[in-house]
Amino acid sequence: ETGVTQSPTHLIKTRGQQVTLRCSSQSGHNTVSWYQQALGQGPQFIFQYYREEENGRGNFPPRFSGLQFPNYSSELNVNALELDDSALYLCAGSGGANYGYTFGSGTRLTVV
Amino acid sequence: AQRVTQPEKLLSVFKGAPVELKCNYSYSGSPELFWYVQYSRQRLQLLLRHISRESIKGFTADLNKGETSFHLKKPFAQEEDSAMYYCALKVPSGGYNKLIFGAGTRLAVHP
Repeated sequence: ETGVTQSPTHLIKTRGQQVTLRCSSQSGHNTVSWYQQALGQGPQFIFQYYREEENGRGNFPPRFSGLQFPNYSSELNVNALELDDSALYLCAGSGGANYGYTFGSGTRLTVV
Repeated sequence: AQRVTQPEKLLSVFKGAPVELKCNYSYSGSPELFWYVQYSRQRLQLLLRHISRESIKGFTADLNKGETSFHLKKPFAQEEDSAMYYCALKVPSGGYNKLIFGAGTRLAVHP
């Protein structure tokens, strides 16, 4: 039982380009969070969506944006990619505040 | 400031030896803490949460508010325990929750 699926698994982009990462969460996961994990570090909170609206954001610039859809899928969009955006991006689904988080396997983004 | 510190990047032990993975936190409210584990080529998964007070795969963790610590312990390490371990603090903020992770500790258990 996986619960959260992310695509693609790996991606290479050029500095300045835009990228869209996708996450498919299981039914009941009305909350989805995105995290950035740079090499050698723990995951860092980017933002969270609840019922298709962003309801929380970490210390990331506006060029990081997202969407959540009624079918429990979501997207992370990053514009004007920078070299430092190279990282593993994790999606986590949750059924609510008192529930745990189920993480996807992540998308490894490399910006060259 | 809200922060989770895992002081050791790597902990190397022999099979059967006791293990203690250290985690310290900084948080002004009532903390809710977790340990997540990531085995090789697998996704991040919840190992245990302090409010459950349970033992998973022989691991336990006790919240010590006086020392602001939540160390993960196992009396006898097994080779299959080799993995990355992350301590995380759940922080409520304006109607949503976020997890603050430490940098992680790699546990290597040698035969």
